[in-house]
Amino acid sequence: DTAVSQTPKYLVTQMGNDKSIKCEQNLGHDTMYWYKQDSKKFLKIMFSYNNKELIINETVPNRFSPKSPDKAHLNLHINSLELGDSAVYFCASSLPRGGGIREQYFGPGTRLTVT
Amino acid sequence: AQKITQTQPGMFVQEKEAVTLDCTYDTSDPSYGLFWYKQPSSGEMIFLIYQGSYDQQNATEGRYSLNFQKARKSANLVISASQLGDSAMYFCAMRVSGGYQKVTFGTGTKLQVIP
Repeated sequence: DTAVSQTPKYLVTQMGNDKSIKCEQNLGHDTMYWYKQDSKKFLKIMFSYNNKELIINETVPNRFSPKSPDKAHLNLHINSLELGDSAVYFCASSLPRGGGIREQYFGPGTRLTVT
Repeated sequence: AQKITQTQPGMFVQEKEAVTLDCTYDTSDPSYGLFWYKQPSSGEMIFLIYQGSYDQQNATEGRYSLNFQKARKSANLVISASQLGDSAMYFCAMRVSGGYQKVTFGTGTKLQVIP
């Protein structure tokens, strides 16, 4: 059983297009995240939702809009794609505990290529 | 602000030997957690081990152990009896208590195991 799944795995599109990435987790976790991993493998958090509420919103362009219809799903919509958006986008989830999370589980990633 | 530093961009280790991957961190928060993740060439992020700042003992998970030296603010990962399948990127990460479960990642160390 896949714990955290993402679709699509690969996404190739042209500049200016709008695209979405979907994420689902079946772990019963309350918190979900979007991370961006650039070409140098640097991983940076973009957004986090806890029980459908946005709790982390890093300095990300407004063209990126996350949506969490329920606590098991977190989607990422990107408008007007730019070359610099090319990266691997990871979804992750965790279960908040007293004192803070002790693990995060990642999806397989979505490799976005903007041409 | 919290910061994670991994100073070794790449390392080699002979198969069956032990290897230490360095990680130092900086935070003024007394409550924090430290993580290590493995990213093989296939791209997925695999959670390896966690150490809480108040945990009395160093964390161990199979062949992985975390050498936690609080006064030196270091959280090195030790892999014993290296295997070819250990060849991957390894990321150190930190979560502080007041950060809405925000996890900050280091730049990673690429480990190559030589037969």
